[in-house]
Amino acid sequence: AQSVTQPDIHITVSEGASLELRCNYSYGATPYLFWYVQSPGQGLQLLLKYFSGDTLVQGIKGFEAEFKRSQSSFNLRKPSVHWSDAAEYFCAVGELGRGAQKLVFGQGTRLTINP
Amino acid sequence: GAGVSQSPSNKVTEKGKDVELRCDPISGHTALYWYRQSLGQGLEFLIYFQGNSAPDKSGLPSDRFSAERTGGSVSTLTIQRTQQEDSAVYLCASSLGRAGNEQFFGPGTRLTVL
Repeated sequence: AQSVTQPDIHITVSEGASLELRCNYSYGATPYLFWYVQSPGQGLQLLLKYFSGDTLVQGIKGFEAEFKRSQSSFNLRKPSVHWSDAAEYFCAVGELGRGAQKLVFGQGTRLTINP
Repeated sequence: GAGVSQSPSNKVTEKGKDVELRCDPISGHTALYWYRQSLGQGLEFLIYFQGNSAPDKSGLPSDRFSAERTGGSVSTLTIQRTQQEDSAVYLCASSLGRAGNEQFFGPGTRLTVL
């Protein structure tokens, strides 16, 4: 069965510092990979996604992620975080079904920003 | 345009009662998904509908859970004889239904079973 592991439950970084959130997946074929963000009291918002092609994908809010097949990883990065980036981040793999796909989520990483 | 809407936003019920949660997807989206977010289990898939195909119910945790989608639009998730472990935020999402399309999430319904 597909699975997603986010090893870091909670990360704290200073405003302006760089950020990397880790994500490892288990999937038999080429995965559809996603990063979502959930701000306090808000719904889930898609940051970026990977299906094929260039393994470095750009997303919204200055985020990027790199797909590494050899490491089964899809880590999320941002060069310089802002206080507004404080939120919970979820990595997910899409499991194909009949014309659609259900998402299998990691446990999430809560990001705290120090001023 | 309007996003995915869910109602009610909060629901408090007593153990053993039935509850219905509603989801209005984005107009034109053929796929509709239900997920559950709880402290112990994280975000987990429950069920999805795609067009006129039979729904994928593989994530429903027990036969107390059921869902329907009427007219290819609005969906209702029903939980019968609620238990305390059903307390969670129930999230609905919709998409254009092709693999890889973004799923747009609603704000969720917070269910508390006393």
